[in-house]
Amino acid sequence: EPEVTQTPSHQVTQMGQEVILRCVPISNHLYFYWYRQILGQKVEFLVSFYNNEISEKSEIFDDQFSVERPDGSNFTLKIRSTKLEDSAMYFCASSERASGGRETQYFGPGTRLLVL
Amino acid sequence: AQSVTQLDSQVPVFEEAPVELRCNYSSSVSVYLFWYVQYPNQGLQLLLKYLSGSTLVKGINGFEAEFNKSQTSFHLRKPSVHISDTAEYFCAVSVDSGAGSYQLTFGKGTKLSVIP
Repeated sequence: EPEVTQTPSHQVTQMGQEVILRCVPISNHLYFYWYRQILGQKVEFLVSFYNNEISEKSEIFDDQFSVERPDGSNFTLKIRSTKLEDSAMYFCASSERASGGRETQYFGPGTRLLVL
Repeated sequence: AQSVTQLDSQVPVFEEAPVELRCNYSSSVSVYLFWYVQYPNQGLQLLLKYLSGSTLVKGINGFEAEFNKSQTSFHLRKPSVHISDTAEYFCAVSVDSGAGSYQLTFGKGTKLSVIP
């Protein structure tokens, strides 16, 4: 069964450094998402992406964050200058369609980011 | 804005006993409801979803959930749990944002521990 993959599984970085989290969505999916979960808190929506542009973003997704689909398979989340509070599990998801919210989003296993 | 409350952060239950994981939501518009499960070191996997129609929804691994509009609840149930059901369970809602994509709003999750 096709699945969403994410690399790396764990990333440790120093505050102020740039990190890039990578995701390979399911191949025929058109909508892509990033979520994060700070330890002990809810899974929170960051951004959705369709047709090579951001569809929607949350207030968490400030100028320090960016997303890109650099080729036909990868979907990346970049944090330009990491802060301690960026430490979290980051999940990538994809869906084939949007269908007004009815579609299932398929999630990757996550990247655990630790900012020191 | 919508929100999801999962009333129990941890639920221990003996093997072969029934279990109910509670989920309540609030939204000013119609929602679609989802339950996801996360096994250790894996991504979020869809258990079941409610879009419309019959309020009793059956999912994978013997789970079912009942949508109750008057109580704004979508509780997850299983009549007899197995050790392999030990995982974290997330309730989520989606609302069509009108942007062509949509975001999931999650609860904090419930950790189900099945005791032999």
